Amino acid sequence: LAKTTQPISMDSYEGQEVNITCSHNNIATNDYITWYQQFPSQGPRFIIQGYKTKVTNEVASLFIPADRKSSTLSLPRVSLSDTAVYYCLVARDTGRRALTFGSGTRLQVQP
Amino acid sequence: DAMVIQNPRYQVTQFGKPVTLSCSQTLNHNVMYWYQQKSSQAPKLLFHYYDKDFNNEADTPDNFQSRRPNTSFCFLDIRSPGLGDAAMYLCATSRGLRRQPGSPITYEQYFGPGTRLTVT
Repeated sequence: LAKTTQPISMDSYEGQEVNITCSHNNIATNDYITWYQQFPSQGPRFIIQGYKTKVTNEVASLFIPADRKSSTLSLPRVSLSDTAVYYCLVARDTGRRALTFGSGTRLQVQP
Repeated sequence: DAMVIQNPRYQVTQFGKPVTLSCSQTLNHNVMYWYQQKSSQAPKLLFHYYDKDFNNEADTPDNFQSRRPNTSFCFLDIRSPGLGDAAMYLCATSRGLRRQPGSPITYEQYFGPGTRLTVT
């Protein structure tokens, strides 16, 4: 599976837009990009997934350039409750759908 | 609400004393996963079941076993816990792996709250 690289940590303030970029240079044709959020002492929670271009849901947007070697998770107008670890994953449709978590980005939102 | 339940939330066991963690789900999902997450690290997949088919990750120690008696329940057995096995153990579920023609692929897994295991 493609290795992912993302910033270890980020700081933001309430009301700001936060963009977390992940690089996955070795992404393969059949790979999907998925993002999960994890709060302390809780299991990860699925945020969004995409294959190319832009995907938006009620929580976030995911931007994927044409070469798919990176992706950017965009969180609009963050609040204190968005403080969490955000994991970028590249998932391959081999039939197993197993996920390999990278190191994650710890986002700290301050008032 | 449909959900993934893990019991107990906190488990203390002694070095070398077998321990079993349990997971149940009301989502009726085909696939159940067990992850190990150590402090400040990312979750690491130990194994998963697709229905009754067991799939072990290559680097999962033999000390870890799993049972899935039915669709709803899955157990993680640690035969002889060591101090290095202290971690959060996460159970997750997802819909069937086999892609249906015309249906979208989803990598959404539903995680339980985890069981924090302490080994003394």
